[in-house]
Amino acid sequence: GAVVSQHPSRVICKSGTSVKIECRSLDFQATTMFWYRQFPKKSLMLMATSNEGSKATYEQGVEKDKFLINHASLTLSTLTVTSAHPEDSSFYICSARGGKTSSGANVLTFGAGSRLTVL
Amino acid sequence: AQKITQTQPGMFVQEKEAVTLDCTYDTSDPSYGLFWYKQPSSGEMIFLIYQGSYDQQNATEGRYSLNFQKARKSANLVISASQLGDSAMYFCAMREHITGNQFYFGTGTSLTVIP
Repeated sequence: GAVVSQHPSRVICKSGTSVKIECRSLDFQATTMFWYRQFPKKSLMLMATSNEGSKATYEQGVEKDKFLINHASLTLSTLTVTSAHPEDSSFYICSARGGKTSSGANVLTFGAGSRLTVL
Repeated sequence: AQKITQTQPGMFVQEKEAVTLDCTYDTSDPSYGLFWYKQPSSGEMIFLIYQGSYDQQNATEGRYSLNFQKARKSANLVISASQLGDSAMYFCAMREHITGNQFYFGTGTSLTVIP
């Protein structure tokens, strides 16, 4: 089945530094990947849609200069949290349309998530 | 209006019993898909079951079944014979064709299975 690998799973950084999170589709090509942010015991909030070879589409209220997304290949999208601050601490999770249901419908396959803690 | 509504923030079920997690949705698109995902404490999102809007029969996947009531716009997840490992957050999601197949997620239900 489709697998999405996300790295790192946990990262702790100092305030003001930048952190890069990688999302790879291991056994399929993903022209589109999605980045979500999740606060504790809350739902997933779509941050942006990452498009291979073009600019990402950001959701309203998401700072594109703060959350840089690069989708350089059909199997890799990266999210860089620039000049991170404690309020950026969160669980970030990526996904891609890679799996199929038994009836052939597309399924969102998720990475394992990255827990960012900014000190 | 919320696309996906999950009204149960938390649910408890006795081990080996069945439990129903509620989900209602809102769409005017005749073509849509409904999904349930499980998120254990580790954080990964695990796909459980899918129901297409044109599917005549309720979807089933092992101990999971989806009670699809189209007229009521509900897509409840039924977990039979609950196991301790079923304790997790459960998210209902919808994909609409009209919005370019964007996924919408509910707020989730935290299920705790009691031994």
